[in-house]
Amino acid sequence: DTEVTQTPKHLVMGMTNKKSLKCEQHMGHRAMYWYKQKAKKPPELMFVYSYEKLSINESVPSRFSPECPNSSLLNLHLHALQPEDSALYLCASSQELSFVDGSSYEQYFGPGTRLTVT
Amino acid sequence: AQKITQTQPGMFVQEKEAVTLDCTYDTSDPSYGLFWYKQPSSGEMIFLIYQGSYDQQNATEGRYSLNFQKARKSANLVISASQLGDSAMYFCAIQHGNKLVFGAGTILRVKS
Repeated sequence: DTEVTQTPKHLVMGMTNKKSLKCEQHMGHRAMYWYKQKAKKPPELMFVYSYEKLSINESVPSRFSPECPNSSLLNLHLHALQPEDSALYLCASSQELSFVDGSSYEQYFGPGTRLTVT
Repeated sequence: AQKITQTQPGMFVQEKEAVTLDCTYDTSDPSYGLFWYKQPSSGEMIFLIYQGSYDQQNATEGRYSLNFQKARKSANLVISASQLGDSAMYFCAIQHGNKLVFGAGTILRVKS
Protein backbone atom coordinates (compact mmCIF):
# COMPACT_ATOMS: atom_id res chain seq x y z
CA ASP A 1 0.00 0.00 0.00
CA THR A 2 1.69 3.20 -1.22
CA GLU A 3 -1.03 5.58 -0.11
CA VAL A 4 -0.68 8.95 1.49
CA THR A 5 -3.98 10.53 2.49
CA GLN A 6 -4.70 14.21 3.00
CA THR A 7 -7.69 16.00 4.48
CA PRO A 8 -9.51 18.11 3.61
CA LYS A 9 -9.43 17.99 -0.19
CA HIS A 10 -10.57 21.60 -0.45
CA LEU A 11 -10.42 24.40 2.10
CA VAL A 12 -11.63 27.99 1.91
CA MET A 13 -10.62 30.21 4.80
CA GLY A 14 -10.59 33.87 5.68
CA MET A 15 -7.45 35.74 6.63
CA THR A 16 -8.37 35.69 10.32
CA ASN A 17 -9.21 31.99 10.50
CA LYS A 18 -7.20 29.16 12.03
CA LYS A 19 -7.31 25.84 10.25
CA SER A 20 -5.24 22.68 9.95
CA LEU A 21 -4.27 20.39 7.11
CA LYS A 22 -3.77 16.71 7.91
CA CYS A 23 -1.62 14.06 6.27
CA GLU A 24 -1.39 10.36 7.10
CA GLN A 25 0.66 7.42 5.85
CA HIS A 26 0.80 3.81 7.00
CA MET A 27 3.81 2.64 5.03
CA GLY A 28 6.22 2.85 7.98
CA HIS A 29 7.99 5.77 6.37
CA ARG A 30 10.18 7.84 8.67
CA ALA A 31 10.43 11.02 6.60
CA MET A 32 7.49 13.29 5.79
CA TYR A 33 7.32 16.48 3.77
CA TRP A 34 5.10 19.50 3.10
CA TYR A 35 5.17 21.17 -0.31
CA LYS A 36 3.36 24.21 -1.68
CA GLN A 37 2.42 24.30 -5.36
CA LYS A 38 1.04 27.29 -7.25
CA ALA A 39 -0.84 26.73 -10.50
CA LYS A 40 1.34 25.60 -13.41
CA LYS A 41 4.46 25.66 -11.23
CA PRO A 42 6.56 22.88 -9.69
CA PRO A 43 6.14 21.99 -6.01
CA GLU A 44 8.24 23.99 -3.56
CA LEU A 45 9.50 22.35 -0.40
CA MET A 46 8.28 23.88 2.86
CA PHE A 47 9.16 21.47 5.70
CA VAL A 48 10.81 18.10 6.21
CA TYR A 49 10.37 15.84 9.22
CA SER A 50 12.60 12.89 9.96
CA TYR A 51 11.78 10.51 12.80
CA GLU A 52 9.18 13.02 14.02
CA LYS A 53 11.70 15.82 14.32
CA LEU A 54 11.77 18.90 12.12
CA SER A 55 14.76 18.54 9.83
CA ILE A 56 14.30 21.28 7.27
CA ASN A 57 12.37 24.57 7.32
CA GLU A 58 12.70 26.38 4.03
CA SER A 59 12.33 29.84 5.60
CA VAL A 60 8.56 29.47 5.67
CA PRO A 61 6.59 32.32 7.31
CA SER A 62 5.48 31.62 10.87
CA ARG A 63 1.81 31.71 9.87
CA PHE A 64 2.48 28.12 8.73
CA SER A 65 3.22 25.82 11.67
CA PRO A 66 4.00 22.14 11.10
CA GLU A 67 3.50 19.38 13.62
CA CYS A 68 4.35 15.68 13.59
CA PRO A 69 2.41 14.03 16.45
CA ASN A 70 3.64 10.54 15.53
CA SER A 71 5.41 8.70 12.76
CA SER A 72 2.23 8.32 10.69
CA LEU A 73 0.76 11.80 10.99
CA LEU A 74 1.79 15.22 9.79
CA ASN A 75 -0.21 18.39 10.34
CA LEU A 76 0.12 21.89 8.97
CA HIS A 77 -1.50 24.56 11.13
CA LEU A 78 -2.57 27.72 9.35
CA HIS A 79 -3.17 31.12 10.95
CA ALA A 80 -3.59 34.62 9.57
CA LEU A 81 -2.89 33.58 6.00
CA GLN A 82 -2.73 35.93 3.05
CA PRO A 83 -4.52 35.55 -0.31
CA GLU A 84 -1.16 34.76 -1.94
CA ASP A 85 -0.98 31.64 0.22
CA SER A 86 -3.75 30.13 -1.91
CA ALA A 87 -2.23 27.02 -3.50
CA LEU A 88 -2.22 23.24 -3.60
CA TYR A 89 -0.53 21.86 -0.48
CA LEU A 90 1.03 18.47 -0.99
CA CYS A 91 2.20 16.05 1.64
CA ALA A 92 4.74 13.34 0.85
CA SER A 93 6.57 10.57 2.65
CA SER A 94 9.63 8.45 2.02
CA GLN A 95 11.23 5.46 3.69
CA GLU A 96 14.02 7.61 5.06
CA LEU A 97 15.35 11.07 4.38
CA SER A 98 16.52 10.87 0.84
CA PHE A 99 20.20 10.34 0.24
CA VAL A 100 20.92 8.71 3.60
CA ASP A 101 23.99 6.48 3.15
CA GLY A 102 24.13 7.52 -0.47
CA SER A 103 20.75 6.02 -1.29
CA SER A 104 17.84 7.92 -2.80
CA TYR A 105 14.32 7.12 -1.70
CA GLU A 106 11.33 8.00 -3.80
CA GLN A 107 8.77 10.24 -2.22
CA TYR A 108 5.12 9.22 -2.31
CA PHE A 109 2.69 12.10 -2.51
CA GLY A 110 -0.85 12.54 -1.30
CA PRO A 111 -3.63 14.04 -3.45
CA GLY A 112 -3.16 17.47 -1.91
CA THR A 113 -5.37 20.08 -0.29
CA ARG A 114 -6.52 22.96 -2.49
CA LEU A 115 -6.47 26.00 -0.23
CA THR A 116 -8.18 29.28 -1.04
CA VAL A 117 -7.63 32.26 1.24
CA THR A 118 -10.26 34.99 0.92
CA ALA B 1 23.41 24.24 -6.34
CA GLN B 2 21.42 21.66 -8.26
CA LYS B 3 19.32 22.76 -11.20
CA ILE B 4 16.84 20.98 -13.47
CA THR B 5 15.83 22.24 -16.91
CA GLN B 6 12.83 21.03 -18.87
CA THR B 7 12.78 22.96 -22.15
CA GLN B 8 9.46 21.68 -23.50
CA PRO B 9 6.53 23.56 -21.95
CA GLY B 10 4.06 21.39 -23.87
CA MET B 11 4.09 18.29 -26.06
CA PHE B 12 1.54 16.47 -28.20
CA VAL B 13 1.71 12.80 -29.11
CA GLN B 14 -0.59 10.53 -31.05
CA GLU B 15 -2.11 7.66 -29.12
CA LYS B 16 -0.01 4.46 -29.31
CA GLU B 17 3.12 6.33 -30.36
CA ALA B 18 6.25 6.88 -28.25
CA VAL B 19 7.23 10.28 -26.86
CA THR B 20 10.40 11.64 -25.25
CA LEU B 21 10.30 14.32 -22.58
CA ASP B 22 13.58 16.17 -22.16
CA CYS B 23 15.39 16.87 -18.90
CA THR B 24 18.86 18.25 -18.32
CA TYR B 25 20.44 18.85 -14.97
CA ASP B 26 23.36 20.58 -13.40
CA THR B 27 25.08 19.42 -10.25
CA SER B 28 28.59 19.30 -8.83
CA ASP B 29 27.80 16.33 -6.60
CA PRO B 30 29.17 12.99 -7.83
CA SER B 31 26.30 11.12 -6.15
CA TYR B 32 22.73 12.09 -6.96
CA GLY B 33 19.36 10.69 -7.90
CA LEU B 34 17.04 11.64 -10.71
CA PHE B 35 13.27 11.18 -10.59
CA TRP B 36 10.30 11.59 -12.88
CA TYR B 37 6.83 12.32 -11.53
CA LYS B 38 3.46 12.56 -13.29
CA GLN B 39 0.81 15.01 -12.11
CA PRO B 40 -2.68 14.59 -13.61
CA SER B 41 -5.19 17.41 -13.37
CA SER B 42 -6.42 15.91 -10.09
CA GLY B 43 -3.21 17.15 -8.48
CA GLU B 44 -1.59 14.03 -7.07
CA MET B 45 2.12 13.59 -7.85
CA ILE B 46 2.74 10.02 -9.04
CA PHE B 47 6.26 8.59 -8.87
CA LEU B 48 7.23 7.03 -12.22
CA ILE B 49 10.91 6.14 -12.34
CA TYR B 50 14.26 6.66 -10.61
CA GLN B 51 17.87 6.70 -11.86
CA GLY B 52 20.88 6.79 -9.57
CA SER B 53 24.02 8.53 -10.75
CA TYR B 54 26.06 5.35 -10.34
CA ASP B 55 23.55 3.08 -12.05
CA GLN B 56 25.15 1.51 -15.11
CA GLN B 57 21.92 0.68 -16.89
CA ASN B 58 19.03 2.91 -17.85
CA ALA B 59 16.03 2.52 -15.57
CA THR B 60 12.82 1.01 -16.94
CA GLU B 61 9.37 0.65 -15.39
CA GLY B 62 6.77 -0.82 -17.68
CA ARG B 63 6.11 1.67 -20.50
CA TYR B 64 8.49 4.19 -18.93
CA SER B 65 12.22 4.25 -19.53
CA LEU B 66 14.83 6.79 -18.63
CA ASN B 67 17.47 7.65 -21.23
CA PHE B 68 20.35 8.55 -18.91
CA GLN B 69 23.35 10.21 -20.56
CA LYS B 70 25.62 11.15 -17.69
CA ALA B 71 28.26 12.97 -19.73
CA ARG B 72 25.58 15.17 -21.27
CA LYS B 73 23.79 15.52 -17.92
CA SER B 74 20.51 14.52 -19.44
CA ALA B 75 17.78 12.21 -18.11
CA ASN B 76 15.04 12.07 -20.70
CA LEU B 77 11.82 10.15 -20.05
CA VAL B 78 10.57 7.91 -22.83
CA ILE B 79 6.94 6.80 -22.76
CA SER B 80 6.15 4.01 -25.18
CA ALA B 81 2.72 3.21 -26.63
CA SER B 82 1.10 6.41 -25.33
CA GLN B 83 -2.37 6.17 -23.84
CA LEU B 84 -5.02 8.86 -23.34
CA GLY B 85 -4.48 8.51 -19.60
CA ASP B 86 -0.89 9.65 -20.02
CA SER B 87 -2.10 13.22 -20.56
CA ALA B 88 -0.69 15.11 -17.58
CA MET B 89 2.09 17.37 -16.34
CA TYR B 90 5.45 15.61 -16.05
CA PHE B 91 8.17 16.79 -13.68
CA CYS B 92 11.83 15.83 -13.66
CA ALA B 93 13.55 16.20 -10.29
CA ILE B 94 17.04 15.83 -8.83
CA GLN B 95 18.11 14.98 -5.31
CA HIS B 96 19.79 17.93 -3.60
CA GLY B 97 20.97 16.82 -0.18
CA ASN B 98 17.73 15.83 1.51
CA LYS B 99 15.57 17.79 -0.91
CA LEU B 100 13.96 17.19 -4.27
CA VAL B 101 14.46 20.03 -6.74
CA PHE B 102 11.89 20.00 -9.53
CA GLY B 103 12.06 21.29 -13.09
CA ALA B 104 9.35 23.55 -14.51
CA GLY B 105 7.48 20.61 -15.99
CA THR B 106 6.18 19.55 -19.40
CA ILE B 107 2.48 19.27 -20.19
CA LEU B 108 1.82 16.19 -22.33
CA ARG B 109 -1.36 15.83 -24.35
CA VAL B 110 -2.17 12.49 -25.99
CA LYS B 111 -4.39 12.75 -29.07
CA SER B 112 -6.80 10.01 -30.14
